[in-house]
Amino acid sequence: AQSVTQLDSQVPVFEEAPVELRCNYSSSVSVYLFWYVQYPNQGLQLLLKYLSGSTLVKGINGFEAEFNKSQTSFHLRKPSVHISDTAEYFCAVSAGTGTASKLTFGTGTRLQVTL
Amino acid sequence: DTGVSQDPRHKITKRGQNVTFRCDPISEHNRLYWYRQTLGQGPEFLTYFQNEAQLEKSRLLSDRFSAERPKGSFSTLEIQRTEQGDSAMYLCASSPSVITDTQYFGPGTRLTVL
Repeated sequence: AQSVTQLDSQVPVFEEAPVELRCNYSSSVSVYLFWYVQYPNQGLQLLLKYLSGSTLVKGINGFEAEFNKSQTSFHLRKPSVHISDTAEYFCAVSAGTGTASKLTFGTGTRLQVTL
Repeated sequence: DTGVSQDPRHKITKRGQNVTFRCDPISEHNRLYWYRQTLGQGPEFLTYFQNEAQLEKSRLLSDRFSAERPKGSFSTLEIQRTEQGDSAMYLCASSPSVITDTQYFGPGTRLTVL
């Protein structure tokens, strides 16, 4: 079984400042890792995913994440945030083997960007 | 692609009533997933289909819950004898059949049980 821990429930940040949203995972098998964003009253939209290869993954809207196997982490970063980045961010994992690809999500981090 | 659609977007019901939600996946997506999201939590997996076959169900899916995907197209999720604890956002997602494929989520159905 897999689990995901998002250490920060809320992250306040000023516009144009850098931000890092932390994610740690636990799994007995290899995993695929994802970051999704959820705007109010909407479904989830994929920001980026790590399947294999380069540990630095670039996604949409200027976000990137780095897979660190030794620390079992997959932190999300953006060098300069915008007001429109205000949303809930979810880290998720799926098993990297077998045919099932259900996602296990963390509890989410609310990013609040202010002027 | 028109995206994943869900109907209704909101449902208010009284305790003990039955409700049914519909999900229309992206056309030609073989896999369809149902998740439940309660306030302040991340989505939790409920069940998934590969075409019309229901391949996995979570222990969260009690006997009052049933899901179908006739003909491998749209899916329905029915909750019988609703309880206040069933109040949540029910999310549907679809993906092509390869394990590494992205899951595309619909806007969700928000259920409120009074």
